[in-house]
Amino acid sequence: GDSVTQMEGPVTLSEEAFLTINCTYTATGYPSLFWYVQYPGEGLQLLLKATKADDKGSNKGFEATYRKETTSFHLEKGSVQVSDSAVYFCALSNNQGGKLIFGQGTELSVKP
Amino acid sequence: KAGVTQTPRYLIKTRGQQVTLSCSPISGHRSVSWYQQTPGQGLQFLFEYFSETQRNKGNFPGRFSGRQFSNSRSEMNVSTLELGDSALYLCASSLGTDTNEKLFFGSGTQLSVL
Repeated sequence: GDSVTQMEGPVTLSEEAFLTINCTYTATGYPSLFWYVQYPGEGLQLLLKATKADDKGSNKGFEATYRKETTSFHLEKGSVQVSDSAVYFCALSNNQGGKLIFGQGTELSVKP
Repeated sequence: KAGVTQTPRYLIKTRGQQVTLSCSPISGHRSVSWYQQTPGQGLQFLFEYFSETQRNKGNFPGRFSGRQFSNSRSEMNVSTLELGDSALYLCASSLGTDTNEKLFFGSGTQLSVL
């Protein structure tokens, strides 16, 4: 079945460092890919999405490109802030409304 | 516009009891999905309701059930609670018209089974 694999955390960075969180997927057909973020004590918020190969999703300085040839959707940010500290989830949706398949999540901690 | 509202925020139950969780979607959203989040298993899809009908279902035992009302509000029920049911239960809503659309999540109900 469909699945998502994320790099394990926690990831600890200093403020203004470059961030990469790796995400690869296995799916039939042409899924849509998402990054969601969860701040402490809160639900998930959509960070960005891409719906077809070579699409780049971007939001709040974060970017991810849908790479079908490598089945990847890595999350990047050029300069992280303390406020980016959260858990990040990569997910896919494969034409089953309301059903997202999530990776295990990567906890990011940014130190001043 | 109000977000997705889940009640209660916290619940403590004992093994063998049953529990009902509630979710009010964003106004105009007709799809409601439920997820279980645990440290060991991560986020797992329970089921999705659209226009009062279950449209998709995950791989959970029959003790987990749900329903949706005509105003799109949804409830999730877990019967004969087990210790392993302790988790954060998240509800998400969407318009339901695009199978790959963005989901809006509530803050969740934290269920502890003692």
